[in-house]
Amino acid sequence: DAGVTQSPTHLIKTRGQQVTLRCSPKSGHDTVSWYQQALGQGPQFIFQYYEEEERQRGNFPDRFSGHQFPNYSSELNVNALLLGDSALYLCASRGTSGKNTGELFFGEGSRLTVL
Amino acid sequence: DAKTTQPTSMDCAEGRAANLPCNHSTISGNEYVYWYRQIHSQGPQYIIHGLKNNETNEMASLIITEDRKSSTLILPHATLRDTAVYYCIVRVSGRDDKIIFGKGTRLHILP
Repeated sequence: DAGVTQSPTHLIKTRGQQVTLRCSPKSGHDTVSWYQQALGQGPQFIFQYYEEEERQRGNFPDRFSGHQFPNYSSELNVNALLLGDSALYLCASRGTSGKNTGELFFGEGSRLTVL
Repeated sequence: DAKTTQPTSMDCAEGRAANLPCNHSTISGNEYVYWYRQIHSQGPQYIIHGLKNNETNEMASLIITEDRKSSTLILPHATLRDTAVYYCIVRVSGRDDKIIFGKGTRLHILP
């Protein structure tokens, strides 16, 4: 049973560019959330997707956008990259039916470096 | 701001029990206490959660005080592989994915 998978694992971009990160949730999960983790800090919530719609959003600018597909996978898009966007981007999924619906499973993350 | 406070770092000898405290004095009646850990450069890993009763699983035990204002995560026999940052969070189970992580406790297991 594959867990949460993210791609790419590492990438380097320059300021002003755009990036797309991808996430496949754990089998049986239908809710995906994205977090940003700067070096030495705890993860910060970006947004959550359920039924292909953004349901909750953290304190992030509109440069951060996302999408959820019918197969529950998700993308995180960041436009006009800034140096401060350099971070580990984590995807988390959970199920909304059955047991353990509260348990979030995290992927290994995509490490973005902006030069 | 995070709803929990934890010590910045702790040391524990290998083979001994590691006891990680967490204060959550403003916890609401419908909020659970969750513990996650993050080993260097990996995603956070779920450990355990509880509402008001003590809980135990194959990884750890969770002791929640009667007033629910604090809790302790216990790793009964710490190994070097338990070296990680441990996050204590409170959230409404099954609904709220907008988790506010603090900086957690960096646990060092000493050989």
